[in-house]
Amino acid sequence: DTGVSQDPRHKITKRGQNVTFRCDPISEHNRLYWYRQTLGQGPEFLTYFQNEAQLEKSRLLSDRFSAERPKGSFSTLEIQRTEQGDSAMYLCASSLATESQSYNEQFFGPGTRLTVL
Amino acid sequence: AQSVAQPEDQVNVAEGNPLTVKCTYSVSGNPYLFWYVQYPNRGLQFLLKYITGDNLVKGSYGFEAEFNKSQTSFHLKKPSALVSDSALYFCAVTLRTGGFKTIFGAGTRLFVKA
Repeated sequence: DTGVSQDPRHKITKRGQNVTFRCDPISEHNRLYWYRQTLGQGPEFLTYFQNEAQLEKSRLLSDRFSAERPKGSFSTLEIQRTEQGDSAMYLCASSLATESQSYNEQFFGPGTRLTVL
Repeated sequence: AQSVAQPEDQVNVAEGNPLTVKCTYSVSGNPYLFWYVQYPNRGLQFLLKYITGDNLVKGSYGFEAEFNKSQTSFHLKKPSALVSDSALYFCAVTLRTGGFKTIFGAGTRLFVKA
C-alpha cells in the first residue's frame, strides 16, 4: 500500500505524559498536514509543511504541541504534558503541489486515536 | 471568523432518488473547494474539487458539485443514489492567501435506504 500511513493507530496515555505520533506521506508528495478530529466534528487544521519547512500553524496548536518534518519525508507530532482535552483522532494528510497546480487534493492516513486518561 | 457550514447533520434519501448535500462557506478571497467522503473504519477520501472554470464539477462515483459564487455555496449532488453511497461527507475550503489552511465543515451523514 503506497498511501499515507500513521503510527501508532491507537495510543492510551495518562495525563501529563508526552506522546509522539509519526506520519509517512505518499513518497512524492511535498506537502504534509496535521489535523485533529473529535467526535461529530470535521478535521481541525493544526499545521502544514512544504517539504521540511513548517509554513502554517494554527492558533489551536499550543506550546505543548510541536511538529517536525526533518528531511521533508516523514513527520512527527509531539504532545507534551497531555491533557484530557487532547483526546481526539489525529490525522495526517499529504498532497502534491506543482507550479501548474499549486493546490491539489489531500490524501489522508487512517489516523492515530489518542485517549488521555 | 472563517467557517464552513454543512447545515444538515443527516440526509436521508431512497435508493435511485437524487441527493443533495449542502455546503456554504464564509472565507476571505476565492478559496479552493473540496468534498471528501469517509466510510466506516476508513480514512477520508477525496471526492471532487473546484479550482476554477465551469461551475459544475464532476468527481468520483458519479458525484458532482455546483459552485455558486454569489451564494458562496458548493453543494454536492448525485442524480441517482446508491445504498453504497451511505457515508459521512465533508465539505472543505482551502484558502488561497495567508497560507494554504484548510477548513472543514462538521460533516453530513448520508443514509441511502434500499
